[in-house]
Amino acid sequence: QQQVKQSPQSLIVQKGGISIINCAYENTAFDYFPWYQQFPGKGPALLIAIRPDVSEKKEGRFTISFNKSAKQFSLHIMDSQPGDSATYFCAASSAGAGSYQLTFGKGTKLSVIP
Amino acid sequence: DTAVSQTPKYLVTQMGNDKSIKCEQNLGHDTMYWYKQDSKKFLKIMFSYNNKELIINETVPNRFSPKSPDKAHLNLHINSLELGDSAVYFCASSPQVGDTQYFGPGTRLTVL
Repeated sequence: QQQVKQSPQSLIVQKGGISIINCAYENTAFDYFPWYQQFPGKGPALLIAIRPDVSEKKEGRFTISFNKSAKQFSLHIMDSQPGDSATYFCAASSAGAGSYQLTFGKGTKLSVIP
Repeated sequence: DTAVSQTPKYLVTQMGNDKSIKCEQNLGHDTMYWYKQDSKKFLKIMFSYNNKELIINETVPNRFSPKSPDKAHLNLHINSLELGDSAVYFCASSPQVGDTQYFGPGTRLTVL
């Protein structure tokens, strides 16, 4: 059972456009929602994260929107650049479960074309 | 300064062999992890150690055995390698359980 569903699987955006990646979760105990960015041949790196006490978090061109009632969260990349081309993973974990295990979405391959 | 390092970066071996992947972190973190990333890029937790003690042990074959000699190292030993073990294995660490995880560069394992 996949606990974090991510879409789309791949995304092509023109330079300067907005990239939007969506995730939905099932476990209401999840209370930490990070996004990771992975370049080819590299390990994933934390991009931005949110906790459910806020509905939005912005860091530079990257924004997480969080909808607790719908159990959904999304990543918005404003003014997308070719250097943003990478695979993006949403994830979720639950401190309440005691294990803090990160459950990852299946990833979205973003290509930003000039 | 490499924060989380893994060796080797590439590992090509025959079915049935036994191999080890080493991981070291110089961040002073208490918690370390092993993940498997398959050919479709899906990332799945395998093991987690906190202060050298096993805290997460997902359903993986018992051919996989992690070993943590100290807080800075978490090695992964794999016995009797199978074709399906081919994947990229990532080590990660975090200051404490539940904190941000920092990933190593990965080890691409190919079993022939």
